[in-house]
Amino acid sequence: QVQLVESGGDVVQPGGSLTLSCVGSGFTFTDYGIHWVRQAPGKGLEWVAVVWYDGRDKFYGDSVKGRFTISRDNSKDTVQLQMNSLRAEDTAVYYCARGRSSTQDFDFWGQGTLVTVSS
Amino acid sequence: QSALTQPRSVSGSPGQSVTISCTGTGRDVGGYSYVSWYQQRPGKAPKFMIYDVNKRPSGVPDRFSGSKSGNTASLRISGLQAEDEAHYYCCAYGGTYTFPYWVFGGGTQLTVL
Repeated sequence: QVQLVESGGDVVQPGGSLTLSCVGSGFTFTDYGIHWVRQAPGKGLEWVAVVWYDGRDKFYGDSVKGRFTISRDNSKDTVQLQMNSLRAEDTAVYYCARGRSSTQDFDFWGQGTLVTVSS
Repeated sequence: QSALTQPRSVSGSPGQSVTISCTGTGRDVGGYSYVSWYQQRPGKAPKFMIYDVNKRPSGVPDRFSGSKSGNTASLRISGLQAEDEAHYYCCAYGGTYTFPYWVFGGGTQLTVL
C-alpha cells in the first residue's frame, strides 16, 4: 500500500535550520511529484513546496520562498525539505503528500512531523 | 496566493444535506478545473475526498459531491452521518505552468447535530 513517512521534526530556535525527510513506499516514486503542506496549531492547511518527479522543477509558497529548499533523491525514494532562517510562524505539523500532475491534487498523505520554533 | 474563503462552520442533523462553499479568484478556482477537497479528523492527516471539481476517488461514498460555478466551488454532503463530522478543506491549483501554486481554503468545521 502507498505510504509516506515524515521525520526530522524538532524544537529549533528562531533563526535556526532544520531538515525534514519524507520516504515513500508502495508506489513508483519517480511517477509522482511530492509536496510539503503544513498546518500551524489550530489553523488550516498551507501549501509549502513541490518537487516534480525528476527533481528538476521546484516551486514554493510565498511565505517560505528564499528560506526553504526542497529536493529529492529518487535512488532512496526520499524528498527533503531544508528549512533555514526559521521563524516562530513556521511552527506547524509538516505533511508530505503525493501529488498527481494530471489533476493537481494530493492523493496520499503522511502522518506529519512537528516543527516547533521557539527560544 | 491568498487563501480561499470557506465558512468557518456548518452543521446539520443526521440524514440531512449540507453544502460548503469555497471562493477563490479567476487565477485559481475560476481558472482551472483543479479543485480538490480534503476531510480532516482531529489529530489525523487529511483524507482525499474530491478531485477535478466533482470526481470521487475510489472508496469515497457517493454522498459526497462537488461542483463549481465561476470562482466558487462547493462540496455537498448528503445523508449526513455522525462519522462525517470533521474539518473540510478545499484546494485549488493556480498560477501558470511556469509559476504554479496550490492554495487551500481556511477550512470548515462540520458538526453533525
